[in-house]
Amino acid sequence: QQQVKQSPQSLIVQKGGISIINCAYENTAFDYFPWYQQFPGKGPALLIAIRPDVSEKKEGRFTISFNKSAKQFSLHIMDSQPGDSATYFCAASIQGGYQKVTFGTGTKLQVIP
Amino acid sequence: DSGVTQTPKHLITATGQRVTLRCSPRSGDLSVYWYQQSLDQGLQFLIQYYNGEERAKGNILERFSAQQFPDLHSELNLSSLELGDSALYFCASSRGIGSREQYFGPGTRLTVT
Repeated sequence: QQQVKQSPQSLIVQKGGISIINCAYENTAFDYFPWYQQFPGKGPALLIAIRPDVSEKKEGRFTISFNKSAKQFSLHIMDSQPGDSATYFCAASIQGGYQKVTFGTGTKLQVIP
Repeated sequence: DSGVTQTPKHLITATGQRVTLRCSPRSGDLSVYWYQQSLDQGLQFLIQYYNGEERAKGNILERFSAQQFPDLHSELNLSSLELGDSALYFCASSRGIGSREQYFGPGTRLTVT
């Protein structure tokens, strides 16, 4: 019940295209869904996050879509650039005095020129 | 740069040995989290400390222990090391106990030979 399933495992997108990464969860107690971006040799960095009372959140070229009834959420990267090439992790956590975050398995994105 | 520092950057040691990984959180952050990232297990939450006290435990082995000191830096101790402990170990910090945003350090790459 604590799992967050992420797909695809890897993704190749042409420059200027849309990258879409999907995640699904089971535990309805999750109430915070962040996405992290990780470049090789670096730690994950918080990219964008959403709460379940919102269906969509946009920050620049990055958009999270959230479907509470389906228990799914996705990251869309518009106008993908080679500099977006990284591994992306979705995650989920439960408010409760501590922040035990459950991560998805990661998606390695490669944006080709 | 997230403001979280970790030392050492790389560590190579033999099976059966004990090592200590160190983390300094961002200035003002009271919570510290430890994660293990391996190829087959993804990013796994190990343990959280808040202002010197343990607050949450994840998939942390009994051979592993951690603590947070009065100056808020944290150490992760790994003992009786096995080949399977080879991984990236990340520290993250957040402002308070209920803060959602976690800031990751650059990680320590541990290789057990």
